[in-house]
Amino acid sequence: GQQLNQSPQSMFIQEGEDVSMNCTSSSIFNTWLWYKQDPGEGPVLLIALYKAGELTSNGRLTAQFGITRKDSFLNISASIPSDVGIYFCAGHRSGGSNYKLTFGKGTLLTVNP
Amino acid sequence: GAGVSQSPSNKVTEKGKDVELRCDPISGHTALYWYRQRLGQGLEFLIYFQGNSAPDKSGLPSDRFSAERTGESVSTLTIQRTQQEDSAVYLCASSLGAGRETQYFGPGTRLLVL
Repeated sequence: GQQLNQSPQSMFIQEGEDVSMNCTSSSIFNTWLWYKQDPGEGPVLLIALYKAGELTSNGRLTAQFGITRKDSFLNISASIPSDVGIYFCAGHRSGGSNYKLTFGKGTLLTVNP
Repeated sequence: GAGVSQSPSNKVTEKGKDVELRCDPISGHTALYWYRQRLGQGLEFLIYFQGNSAPDKSGLPSDRFSAERTGESVSTLTIQRTQQEDSAVYLCASSLGAGRETQYFGPGTRLLVL
């Protein structure tokens, strides 16, 4: 099935650094979501974006819904060791099958203390 | 309250055997979803239930895969005659309704087909 293009695939950073990751698609999405998955767990929703141009923060996390509705980014400021995990973007497409989430392949984040 | 639970957490089986994976959604959630996550990949949609009917089975990879749901409760995903390429994490999610409702995920079942 179709997937979103998520980059980078992996990041290795020092504690305290800021992180940025993004997702792009050739199709329009009417909702963008960012999830984090810890080892052995299911994805947990971090931020949900519902309007083009929307910028939303959740603590040290900030995400934006691109104006074209074909992209989104997630920033993490002042990273800490517990930020380690896999971050997925996901979206609901417009139209009849909007219950279905399409996922990116994930960004593996490693934080060096 | 309790989140989405799945069982078993891990399953090792031999090629050709059938397996049954179970999902208990959050109480009151009418929508239930199954996804497959292959190693290093994002989640791949398999099937969606609204109540106990499945309006969309389009993601099921083959006719060896089937799923059912009892009322607005437990769902089972069955894989018949398992193949090695079926090895993956199978994740279940539920939401209050369909559409833009937040989907809450269970911890997944890790299936390994030898």
